[in-house]
Amino acid sequence: NAGVTQTPKFQVLKTGQSMTLQCAQDMNHEYMSWYRQDPGMGLRLIHYSVGAGITDQGEVPNGYNVSRSTTEDFPLRLLSAAPSQTSVYFCASSYSGLAGKSSYNEQFFGPGTRLTVL
Amino acid sequence: EDQVTQSPEALRLQEGESSSLNCSYTVSGLRGLFWYRQDPGKGPEFLFTLYSAGEEKEKERLKATLTKKESFLHITAPKPEDSATYLCAVQGWGTSGSRLTFGEGTQLTVNP
Repeated sequence: NAGVTQTPKFQVLKTGQSMTLQCAQDMNHEYMSWYRQDPGMGLRLIHYSVGAGITDQGEVPNGYNVSRSTTEDFPLRLLSAAPSQTSVYFCASSYSGLAGKSSYNEQFFGPGTRLTVL
Repeated sequence: EDQVTQSPEALRLQEGESSSLNCSYTVSGLRGLFWYRQDPGKGPEFLFTLYSAGEEKEKERLKATLTKKESFLHITAPKPEDSATYLCAVQGWGTSGSRLTFGEGTQLTVNP
């Protein structure tokens, strides 16, 4: 299994440009999520999905869109990049976690995308 | 709103010098408390899940414990390869799906 993969690893954008960060997992996980990590702020949830066709907002959703057309893929779209979106972005996946006390709650993270917006 | 506070922000140890990292949390019904390790330039790597007060889990030189208000990550006789940022996260029964709330982490440096 490749686990959780993310592309690209690095990206530089100009203010106002749009782009899509790709995330894929091959573990048949229902739950997928996007986080951003900034110094002094920790990991903050942007958007998440509990299954194909179902998405919801996290803590910091403004400026980002997501869709989930398949179980495997969960792309994150930046509509009009701003310098405040300069960050490291992580995708994560797990089973739905509805099994209560079980290992199904463990989230697996991708290697991250480092984004700079000029 | 779920909250997680980790201390200290940074910890520097000599090889073999045991210590503990703290994770204080507030959550509306704890579903699980998670510890992750993160190396520079990489994604967080899962270490432990704890579900109820009194529970303990061990992995090599690491031992995680849980009370109703906090969790400790004990590091016994650390080695330089244990140097990393350690992240704590909670999942509450009031949250949707597997949603996690993370602390800011403790950056551990172990000198040879």
